[in-house]
Amino acid sequence: AQSVTQPDIHITVSEGASLELRCNYSYGATPYLFWYVQSPGQGLQLLLKYFSGDTLVQGIKGFEAEFKRSQSSFNLRKPSVHWSDAAEYFCAVGASFQKLVFGTGTRLLVSP
Amino acid sequence: EPEVTQTPSHQVTQMGQEVILRCVPISNHLYFYWYRQILGQKVEFLVSFYNNEISEKSEIFDDQFSVERPDGSNFTLKIRSTKLEDSAMYFCASLGSQETQYFGPGTRLLVL
Repeated sequence: AQSVTQPDIHITVSEGASLELRCNYSYGATPYLFWYVQSPGQGLQLLLKYFSGDTLVQGIKGFEAEFKRSQSSFNLRKPSVHWSDAAEYFCAVGASFQKLVFGTGTRLLVSP
Repeated sequence: EPEVTQTPSHQVTQMGQEVILRCVPISNHLYFYWYRQILGQKVEFLVSFYNNEISEKSEIFDDQFSVERPDGSNFTLKIRSTKLEDSAMYFCASLGSQETQYFGPGTRLLVL
């Protein structure tokens, strides 16, 4: 069955510190992988995506993610967090024209 | 930049009433999706739609739900007789290039 696991429900990071949000997936074939961000009361904004090729992908707002097939992981990273990054982050997996399967999300809190 | 739009942004209804949630996907996109997010939970797939037909639906999408593309621009989700547990944020998405789903801002439905 297709599934996405985000093991951290909440993460608190100091402003300026680095960030890594974990995502593990289970999928029958090579999936397409996505990270979306949701600010309170808002919709889902695409941060970055991986389909094939270079396993390190760059996204908007200074985020990057690395696909590791051997670990079935697609962790999201940012070298220096800003207060405006506080939001909920969702990892999702899908395939060509197929539905997205989302993880339960990680809520990022940024402390001064 | 083109966006997916949704109306209304909020809707309050009485249990047993019919509601129609509207979406305008990005023009020239051909695949459309509805997802929902119950408060505090993950985003769940409801239905996908292509060429005026349902492509896939989840177990959530029972006989109380229906989708329609009544004209060349709108994509609607109808709930015939709402239940308390239908209270959620409903997101519409359309599929663009590189297998990326673009999400609308959502409609928050509250069933009393």
